[in-house]
Amino acid sequence: EDKVVQSPLSLVVHEGDTVTLNCSYEVTNFRSLLWYKQEKKAPTFLFMLTSSGIEKKSGRLSSILDKKELFSILNITATQTGDSAIYLCAVAPGGNTGKLIFGQGTTLQVKP
Amino acid sequence: DGGITQSPKYLFRKEGQNVTLSCEQNLNHDAMYWYRQDPGQGLRLIYYSQIVNDFQKGDIAEGYSVSREKKESFPLTVTSAQKNPTAFYLCASSLAGGPTGELFFGEGSRLTVL
Repeated sequence: EDKVVQSPLSLVVHEGDTVTLNCSYEVTNFRSLLWYKQEKKAPTFLFMLTSSGIEKKSGRLSSILDKKELFSILNITATQTGDSAIYLCAVAPGGNTGKLIFGQGTTLQVKP
Repeated sequence: DGGITQSPKYLFRKEGQNVTLSCEQNLNHDAMYWYRQDPGQGLRLIYYSQIVNDFQKGDIAEGYSVSREKKESFPLTVTSAQKNPTAFYLCASSLAGGPTGELFFGEGSRLTVL
């Protein structure tokens, strides 16, 4: 059965801290791994990773994929209160359905 | 502006009643999806449709029904057969075949069964 597992499930840090969110997966015919940020309602897209070892970066956020060990990490440096959100990891398995398999999400709270 | 519109944003329903959640997109996407979100469980796929007049069950389709009569619209009906319908429902869309997976989400509908 295809599965995506995120850890930790929740995290509380203070502004300025660096956090690392983890995502491991077991899927048939992996196509891509995606990270989303969900603040209140609609998840918004952060990164899509398809190749191992290539870091994607956007401001203070970065992510990397390891297809051999079947995991990805999302790093956030110099956290701000606006980073407080649920971070969702999802994997697109083989086939042409466009379906995504989501992990449970990591709830991040950044305190001032 | 292009996007996905879900309505209503909040909905209360008595047990035994069916309710329909609306999802409309003007992104010209072929594929549309319904996910359910419960605390601590991430998003679970209910139904999806890759083309008009065709749809497939996701992982938790029991107690739900959908239709896809127009490309822009993919309404979800939560029937009285759904045992635990209180949840946050998210509609999403993507280009045909969802190339490498990116979905665009609506703002969600929160259903509470009283």
